[in-house]
Amino acid sequence: DQQVKQNSPSLSVQEGRISILNCDYTNSMFDYFLWYKKYPAEGPTFLISISSIKDKNEDGRFTVFLNKSAKHLSLHIVPSQPGDSAVYFCAASDAAGNKLTFGGGTRVLVKP
Amino acid sequence: EPEVTQTPSHQVTQMGQEVILRCVPISNHLYFYWYRQILGQKVEFLVSFYNNEISEKSEIFDDQFSVERPDGSNFTLKIRSTKLEDSAMYFCASYTPGTSNEQFFGPGTRLTVL
Repeated sequence: DQQVKQNSPSLSVQEGRISILNCDYTNSMFDYFLWYKKYPAEGPTFLISISSIKDKNEDGRFTVFLNKSAKHLSLHIVPSQPGDSAVYFCAASDAAGNKLTFGGGTRVLVKP
Repeated sequence: EPEVTQTPSHQVTQMGQEVILRCVPISNHLYFYWYRQILGQKVEFLVSFYNNEISEKSEIFDDQFSVERPDGSNFTLKIRSTKLEDSAMYFCASYTPGTSNEQFFGPGTRLTVL
């Protein structure tokens, strides 16, 4: 099942610089998109979401961009901090409260 | 801040045994879910539960699996006869309609089937 794909398994970035994580999807029924952050031995923690009626949502250092025609979204983290080092998952659902379909994750390492 | 809790954090069992994984969702939430993540693979949906019944289940969720909300606070996942391939992290999540559409996840139970 490749409905949600994160093509970059890992990303290394210098502290203070921008981290850009990408996610592609194939199911045009998806209406909500979410980013989760996961540390080892913990559950996914919600970061930010966007609905298909918007193309941008911002929350502090985190901004999600949605390009619906390209079926692509991205997460920008500015500035990156060492505590941001984790695995980031993109997820999508066709309606609020419905099942989430996850991407494979991108492991981010922020170097001091 | 309210959170989803899960017990146990790690469960080791023999193949063929029954296991029950327990979750306490956030108290005012209405929708409950189980997901799992096999080592090195994606987080995958198992089942969703709303209004005391299953609302959706995946192909993985076969007759060996069942869910129950035995009281007002617990939400359980039972695997009747475990297989080696059931070894995974099992995450419970909960959600309620509001300003955000996020599902809140618990810390997970690591199930190891020997």
